[in-house]
This record gives sequence, C-alpha cells and structure tokens, in this order.
Amino acid sequence: GESVGLHLPTLSVQEGDNSIINCAYSNSASDYFIWYKQESGKGPQFIIDIRSNMDKRQGQRVTVLLNKTVKHLSLQIAATQPGDSAVYFCAENTQGAQKLVFGQGTRLTINP
Amino acid sequence: SQTIHQWPATLVQPVGSPLSLECTVEGTSNPNLYWYRQAAGRGLQLLFYSVGIGQISSEVPQNLSASRPQDRQFILSSKKLLLSDSGFYLCAWSVRVPPDTQYFGPGTRLTVL
Repeated sequence: GESVGLHLPTLSVQEGDNSIINCAYSNSASDYFIWYKQESGKGPQFIIDIRSNMDKRQGQRVTVLLNKTVKHLSLQIAATQPGDSAVYFCAENTQGAQKLVFGQGTRLTINP
Repeated sequence: SQTIHQWPATLVQPVGSPLSLECTVEGTSNPNLYWYRQAAGRGLQLLFYSVGIGQISSEVPQNLSASRPQDRQFILSSKKLLLSDSGFYLCAWSVRVPPDTQYFGPGTRLTVL
C-alpha cells in the first residue's frame, strides 16, 4: 500500500555496476506492475511494465522480474550511469481498479 | 502522440489565499485523470481522480477540491491555502480501459508561506 509519509530508502552503487531495486507488494490480486523513474524536480517517467502472466521482461538496460509467490518485484539496471540517478517507484494495479498503488520509492545514487 | 501540460510550474502563495492549478492532456480522448501530491523526499499521495467530465473521486479528506470541466482538463483548487498544502503537485492521465499505465505531467511546485 501507500507509504507516503516515510523517508525514501537509498541505494548507492558504483558507476558501471548493476543496480537492483526491490519492491514488495501486498495484494495477491494485482495483475499489472510498473516501474517509474523520477528525476529531481520532474514528474515520474514510465520505464517498464510487466503483467502477472510473465516472470521477466527486458528493456534497454533494464529488466523487471516478478515473483508472484512471494509478491516481489525488482528492477535491474545494467551498467549504471550517472544519468540513472533518480528516485524509482514501483506501482501495482488490479484489473478493474481505476488507480495505481505506489510503493514508497527508492533513491538511487551513483558513485563515480 | 499524447502530451500532458501543467501550469504554473512554480507558485508561491500566502496562507489563506485561493489556489487554482490546471492540467490539460492532448492527443487522447476520454482519459482518466489524476492529481497527486508529493512532499519533499516522500512518496506519491493520490488526491483525486476522474473517469469522466464532472466525475470526481476524492481519496483524502483535505482542504482541496478538484473539477473536470472538459474532457481533457483537470483543475485542482482551494479556497484558503494552509501551510501543509505546500508540495509538488502532479497530474497524470491513463486510458480509460484498461486504466493501467499512468503518464505524469511536469508538476507544479507550490510553496505556501
């Protein structure tokens, strides 16, 4: 569910390393999941999505993994670059629902 | 392609003053529309959403209201701003069916003094 009042957890990685950002969800009926990237002072941008009939989906330098058994979602970013510095949000949707449920977000910082 | 606009980009208002933030979407018809607020360093809080003209659902009781006078226009208002209304306000849209992926606007930074 929503955790809008909590400070964002932070993940620090070295430039060039792979980043893994995790998200747990609670609604076993959720059937659609999205990752967003939000840079400072901007609105969230869609990165990649996955439906519950899939376990893995790949984009350009990003991979989303879905484990429905433990209700866990992860975003993997390959060869992390300075431009990947941002807050990353996961979101879930249940068929028929008109709104998304967002995770609390994770701040990704890149060390040179 | 679809685009979403918000204005103003930044706003500084005194406590007790009124508020009107506007959001418009281009390139799509009959969208779902959403207003979110984001406090500094925090997550996204859904304030209102709309599935059609004049149809508004409120998620959190508060000092704000929303209206949808046209299909692709969504307005966030307040009669008297509070200090706690400060934040980053985001508008988003999605297709009506299925209402899954939401696309966000650039946001409005509101500071209430």
